Amino acid sequence: NAGVTQTPKFRVLKTGQSMTLLCAQDMNHEYMYWYRQDPGMGLRLIHYSVGEGTTAKGEVPDGYNVSRLKKQNFLLGLESAAPSQTSVYFCASTLTENQPQHFGDGTRLSIL
Amino acid sequence: AQKVTQAQTEISVVEKEDVTLDCVYETRDTTYYLFWYKQPPSGELVFLIRRNSFDEQNEISGRYSWNFQKSTSSFNFTITASQVVDSAVYFCALMGDTGFQKLVFGTGTRLLVSP
Repeated sequence: NAGVTQTPKFRVLKTGQSMTLLCAQDMNHEYMYWYRQDPGMGLRLIHYSVGEGTTAKGEVPDGYNVSRLKKQNFLLGLESAAPSQTSVYFCASTLTENQPQHFGDGTRLSIL
Repeated sequence: AQKVTQAQTEISVVEKEDVTLDCVYETRDTTYYLFWYKQPPSGELVFLIRRNSFDEQNEISGRYSWNFQKSTSSFNFTITASQVVDSAVYFCALMGDTGFQKLVFGTGTRLLVSP
């Protein structure tokens, strides 16, 4: 049972570089989410998707873009990485809105 | 606005002690859902429980129990006879029923259980 898979698990970037984080789920879930986790701040929602082809902004969307071209995949992009985006990123999915979200193992991203 | 407060930043106990993690929430929604997640040192987030606002029954699952009190807007989590494997960060989260149902997390409580 793969569940929610995030790639890569670790990455170090230089300021100004771009990259894409991939989230894949095999549970046929409609809803997918990207969060960031910073020390002492819990998890904060970056962007989310309520179905294939849809995306919406969450609590902290600035500096990020997302795409949901396929139902099973949700991509998070950083166009020009900044040190403030150093964080652990979690992807999650759920079948319906108020059900428990299933989380991936996280991506630890450092921006120098 | 929805808010979750976990006032205990870190708790240290010795194995076999009981420990309660506090969670206080704020919402104007009549219908809402409360969750607890566990984040062990390995980093993944593990779902523990979901409770809706109309179900105030306390729940017990093995050594874990949850006390939901709408009158005090609290959803506390107790671990009985704690074990070293319980060492983790525990997050309480709230989801309202108005508009998009966003999951709002507390800042977490780090539990350290020593042998």
